[in-house]
Amino acid sequence: QKEVEQNSGPLSVPEGAIASLNCTYSDRGSQSFFWYRQYSGKSPELIMFIYSNGDKEDGRFTAQLNKASQYVSLLIRDSQPSDSATYLCAVQRAGSYQLTFGKGTKLSVIP
Amino acid sequence: DGGITQSPKYLFRKEGQNVTLSCEQNLNHDAMYWYRQDPGQGLRLIYYSQIVNDFQKGDIAEGYSVSREKKESFPLTVTSAQKNPTAFYLCASSIGDREETQYFGPGTRLLVL
Repeated sequence: QKEVEQNSGPLSVPEGAIASLNCTYSDRGSQSFFWYRQYSGKSPELIMFIYSNGDKEDGRFTAQLNKASQYVSLLIRDSQPSDSATYLCAVQRAGSYQLTFGKGTKLSVIP
Repeated sequence: DGGITQSPKYLFRKEGQNVTLSCEQNLNHDAMYWYRQDPGQGLRLIYYSQIVNDFQKGDIAEGYSVSREKKESFPLTVTSAQKNPTAFYLCASSIGDREETQYFGPGTRLLVL
């Protein structure tokens, strides 16, 4: 059974702080990792993807991947109230079309 | 503008009725997907299609059917056999290489009367 685990939250951080969102996965054959943001009542939108161990930065967002520990995280620097949303971690096995999603972490950025 | 459209935004189903959700994309993507999302839950894959006239079952295909007659279109039918259809239905597409990013449409919310 392939599983992707996320803390459901809510995770509350003050405006301007760093928000740290974590995700663990069970399938060691996983090759591609995605972070989506989903506002209430809306569809998921892609924030970042990462394939290789280490860090990947895009603006205020940094994705971190550690395949040995089966762990992927998303850091949001200088958090803004507009970052308040549910963040979904998704994992894809090498050679597969299917994404396995976690249940998401709800982030609340307090002004 | 390139993108994925889904219609309707809200859909009401009566007992014993089949309903069809529309998904269209003009991104020239080969692969298309249907997911279901229940409150507080992650997305679960219903069906996916890699090319025209071909599709595969996902994790929760029972009670659903699809067709892929055109590259741009991947409609989902929720049949009367699906006993708990109330959910948020999301269509997605990707270029077609297995490890390419999936992009989502705006979704259809299905409610049972």
